[in-house]
Amino acid sequence: QVQLQQWGAGLLKPSETLSLTCAVSGGSLSGYHWSWIRQPPGKGLEWIGEINHSGSTNNNPSLKSRVTISLDTSKNHFSLKLSSVTAADTAVYYCARGLAIENYWGQGTLVTVSS
Amino acid sequence: QSVLTQPPSVSAAPGQKVTISCSGSSSNIGNNYVSWYQQLPGTAPKLLIYENNKRPSGIPDRFSASKSGTSATLGITGLQTGDEADYYCGTWDDSPSAHWVFGGGTKLTVL
Repeated sequence: QVQLQQWGAGLLKPSETLSLTCAVSGGSLSGYHWSWIRQPPGKGLEWIGEINHSGSTNNNPSLKSRVTISLDTSKNHFSLKLSSVTAADTAVYYCARGLAIENYWGQGTLVTVSS
Repeated sequence: QSVLTQPPSVSAAPGQKVTISCSGSSSNIGNNYVSWYQQLPGTAPKLLIYENNKRPSGIPDRFSASKSGTSATLGITGLQTGDEADYYCGTWDDSPSAHWVFGGGTKLTVL
């Protein structure tokens, strides 16, 4: 059974860099696309970006310049960095495998940006 | 504002049927497969439908979906109180470059 376990700092100050990691167990990174999605409190889902097993990335145009998604196949995990955060980046962040068939989600991490 | 438009809320009684619409454009729904997700309170979203109308293993056939042109529809029959959740559509948008978009979400209330 594929499981995604994510972790990272939950409280940041404005201008800091958000950093989250998602570890995959029960399966390999190979052959799939790995996404990050976020959900501000009380609001809808927003796709942040994805990386495939070979390391090619594709990001939301609205966040593109601040987002870095990377892969570590030796550790079977992938990571998100979002630079220069503001209060508007406060959200629950999810990692996910694919967005269609064979889709799995992490448990979510609440990241709060506050001075 | 979401690229994909969903009604903010729908409601129906237990045992009844409800439909949730998702309206887009030629650059997204019109040219790509649509997925649907269910998000129960306090939990991660769960895939209900992929490739417009296919159900992953374990999803009951009470959940169905269709696509026509630039719109998609999720249908739920035999409503149960456990179906109370937020529902999201999602698909690729090809403009200006390929990126995934979600609808704004629809809150289903089972009265």
